[in-house]
Amino acid sequence: GAVVSQHPSWVICKSGTSVKIECRSLDFQATTMFWYRQFPKQSLMLMATSNEGSKATYEQGVEKDKFLINHASLTLSTLTVTSAHPEDSSFYICSDRSGRGGEQYFGPGTRLTVT
Amino acid sequence: GENVEQHPSTLSVQEGDSAVIKCTYSDSASNYFPWYKQELGKRPQLIIDIRSNVGEKKDQRIAVTLNKTAKHFSLHITETQPEDSAVYFCAASLFFSGGYNKLIFGAGTRLAVHP
Repeated sequence: GAVVSQHPSWVICKSGTSVKIECRSLDFQATTMFWYRQFPKQSLMLMATSNEGSKATYEQGVEKDKFLINHASLTLSTLTVTSAHPEDSSFYICSDRSGRGGEQYFGPGTRLTVT
Repeated sequence: GENVEQHPSTLSVQEGDSAVIKCTYSDSASNYFPWYKQELGKRPQLIIDIRSNVGEKKDQRIAVTLNKTAKHFSLHITETQPEDSAVYFCAASLFFSGGYNKLIFGAGTRLAVHP
């Protein structure tokens, strides 16, 4: 699969501020990307499916107004955590479906700490 | 919706022994079952996958078996090495034209291989 990159790799922000995380699918036109959240010692929980040129599809219980997703190009999806709170501190990972059979490959993740 | 259960949550083996991790899924329509390995602080890496038209798949020391009737699949690691120590996640998904649907992950198994 294609290499998936994320930026930043880690970020610390103050409560109430917003943070943008970028996910890039290199050498692959990713019409669909996925955003996951992983709390310490827990599994990956799908937050939303990001669709190029259209609105993201959010999983039940994920606030779409808090976690803004933009997929404006075939290689870039962004996740903005708005009005961040300490409970939003987590490991955020994106993935694409760049495998020959549609297999998902993950980015390196972004560790968000909200103080 | 799909639900994936994974056992055991922790597994400790001696180097050279075999390790088996088991998962069950609830949605009989699921037809794609990948396994990911995640080392501490890093991205999940796809290590092997199986589709519902196959009962078993091997890749060197790693094998996966699928029992569609019982709706369970297993990861087998033979001749374990210390570098196999990591958290392993199983997942289930439904394939549709254009790629695979969202992955539903198990809770993970923390494997420790002792020299």
